[in-house]
Amino acid sequence: NAGVTQTPKFQVLKTGQSMTLQCAQDMNHEYMSWYRQDPGMGLRLIHYSVGAGITDQGEVPNGYNVSRSTTEDFPLRLLSAAPSQTSVYFCASSSTLRTANQPQHFGDGTRLSIL
Amino acid sequence: AQTVTQSQPEMSVQEAETVTLSCTYDTSENNYYLFWYKQPPSRQMILVIRQEAYKQQNATENRFSVNFQKAAKSFSLKISDSQLGDTAMYFCAFMLTKTSYDKVIFGPGTSLSVIP
Repeated sequence: NAGVTQTPKFQVLKTGQSMTLQCAQDMNHEYMSWYRQDPGMGLRLIHYSVGAGITDQGEVPNGYNVSRSTTEDFPLRLLSAAPSQTSVYFCASSSTLRTANQPQHFGDGTRLSIL
Repeated sequence: AQTVTQSQPEMSVQEAETVTLSCTYDTSENNYYLFWYKQPPSRQMILVIRQEAYKQQNATENRFSVNFQKAAKSFSLKISDSQLGDTAMYFCAFMLTKTSYDKVIFGPGTSLSVIP
């Protein structure tokens, strides 16, 4: 089925470890983004990309890196995991810059725990 | 800065009844979009309804409707004939139209339980 695929669904890391959360979409969407979801705080934008080779910071970018080498893939990297990064991470994509015209499609999320 | 507030962390409703979820936001801008997203236990985020700020008419999608009060900066969601499948977290969200990217600001969410 077409959509946004996130892997893994669950992950436990130790403090200081590195990891990459994968996100792929097969809808040829230009716009992709990463959010983290924490209790009582809704979703907060980490990084976003408006096309291959173009990325920018969102609301809470510290501790995370992204790249967009292809239209389909938008991986999120944690270089040195910290307990404060324990969260549920969502990747989203949309076909235009105006999400209101085309709703964002969300992946199923990755639950990440940092010990 | 824009903020979105949902003052009801948890709500419950009897099946087939009507429930209203509250949302208020703060902005000095005039043109923007508002959304309600549903997140069931499966964690998938699903767009429920959206409203353009320049439209006075309240948006409606089947059993879901909004009461958009621009002057009061209020955007409540009414769910009629509640069904068990409506049990989920509901997020109110806000987006400016003049930004070069789709920065969507989400509220903290309201957990809705539909009771059989």
